[in-house]
Amino acid sequence: DIQMTQSPSSLSASVGDRVTITCRASQGISNYLAWYQQKPGKVPKLLIYAASTLQSGVPSRFSGSGSGTDFTLTISSLQPEDVATYYCQKYNSALLTFGGGTKVEIK
Amino acid sequence: QVQLVQSGAEVKKPGSSVKVSCKASGGTFSSYAISWVRQAPGQGLEWMGGIIPIFGTANYAQKFQGRVTITADESTSTAYMELSSLRSEDTAVYYCARVLELLIAQGAFDIWGQGTMVTVSS
Repeated sequence: DIQMTQSPSSLSASVGDRVTITCRASQGISNYLAWYQQKPGKVPKLLIYAASTLQSGVPSRFSGSGSGTDFTLTISSLQPEDVATYYCQKYNSALLTFGGGTKVEIK
Repeated sequence: QVQLVQSGAEVKKPGSSVKVSCKASGGTFSSYAISWVRQAPGQGLEWMGGIIPIFGTANYAQKFQGRVTITADESTSTAYMELSSLRSEDTAVYYCARVLELLIAQGAFDIWGQGTMVTVSS
């Protein structure tokens, strides 16, 4: 099975900072990767799919890049409402897998 | 806009089974895959399996093979997830989620149910 490894597991940054989260697949998955945001006590929300396509209604400060095994989610200017845990998910095959999550906090 | 509404919280004994429902309203049901994802307290997201209702065949994560059954009833636009031989480690919030693309079994999940808390305790 393909494993998805996210790093870091947590981070603390200041409002306005550029934040980057990495997701690495143990084998190539082309661009079959999604990113989700989950705020405490809430349902996960789709941010990005196909590695770099922004879901409708998601602020443009969120962006995704990568292909193959290495992917990144970038928040260009961190806002207080971005405090959440972020998950990557691969979907290149019938077996779907999530990364372990990255918790983002405000410094 | 499609909404997924799940059944209410459950408390179950170890060794028993639980069946959670997920009813779609406001749009097309049969042609979009529905998956089930669970989240244990304080833990990450874990995919369990999914189904495209119009095809009726489910696929499951290896971890849950033999213990989970996912079905769908097109007449009521409802998907179901039944988990058997429950143990305390199955205590989690269970979500249903719809795949973004039409007639694709695997994909990103654009619509989620509100979640159903299942507690397994003696």
